Amino acid sequence: GESVGLHLPTLSVQEGDNSIINCAYSNSASDYFIWYKQESGKGPQFIIDIRSNMDKRQGQRVTVLLNKTVKHLSLQIAATQPGDSAVYFCAENPNQGGKLIFGQGTELSVKP
Amino acid sequence: KAGVTQTPRYLIKTRGQQVTLSCSPISGHRSVSWYQQTPGQGLQFLFEYFSETQRNKGNFPGRFSGRQFSNSRSEMNVSTLELGDSALYLCASAQQGARETQYFGPGTRLLVL
Repeated sequence: GESVGLHLPTLSVQEGDNSIINCAYSNSASDYFIWYKQESGKGPQFIIDIRSNMDKRQGQRVTVLLNKTVKHLSLQIAATQPGDSAVYFCAENPNQGGKLIFGQGTELSVKP
Repeated sequence: KAGVTQTPRYLIKTRGQQVTLSCSPISGHRSVSWYQQTPGQGLQFLFEYFSETQRNKGNFPGRFSGRQFSNSRSEMNVSTLELGDSALYLCASAQQGARETQYFGPGTRLLVL
């Protein structure tokens, strides 16, 4: 079936280090991708997005990289802080309006 | 702007009952999408409504239905509840012309006993 998969279900980093969360997507027709952060008891929070005509996009302390050749997406978080601890989801839009297909999620744990 | 709001936040039902969940989108957003989140299946798309019309539908049985009102508020209904329907139901809203850029509400936690 449709799927967007994550390579690492859990990631533990030291405060101040950089974090990299990876995601593989399956639908080559997808032209839009989003990263969400979900904290316990809350809904997913929009972090950053990227369209398929770009390879890289930067936000505040976050960078998303897109490699369409191998259908791979990554989220880089610079100077990771304890407040970054959460589950991170990538999602793709297979050019179908308001339908997003989500990956499994990666739990990021930041050690002080 | 106020974010997406969902009511109720928590709900307990028994098998066979039906339930209605409500979602109010961000002001000015006309697209509302619904997702089911469970530990086993993750986040799965249920359906999307835009301008009071269902635009997309996921792979869920007909017991799951929804609607959207003229003020863009949306409801979803689950009839004949099953234990497996226990989940966090999330609503997301988006602007016309950018329906893929979705902002989520806090969700409704449904427990079916």
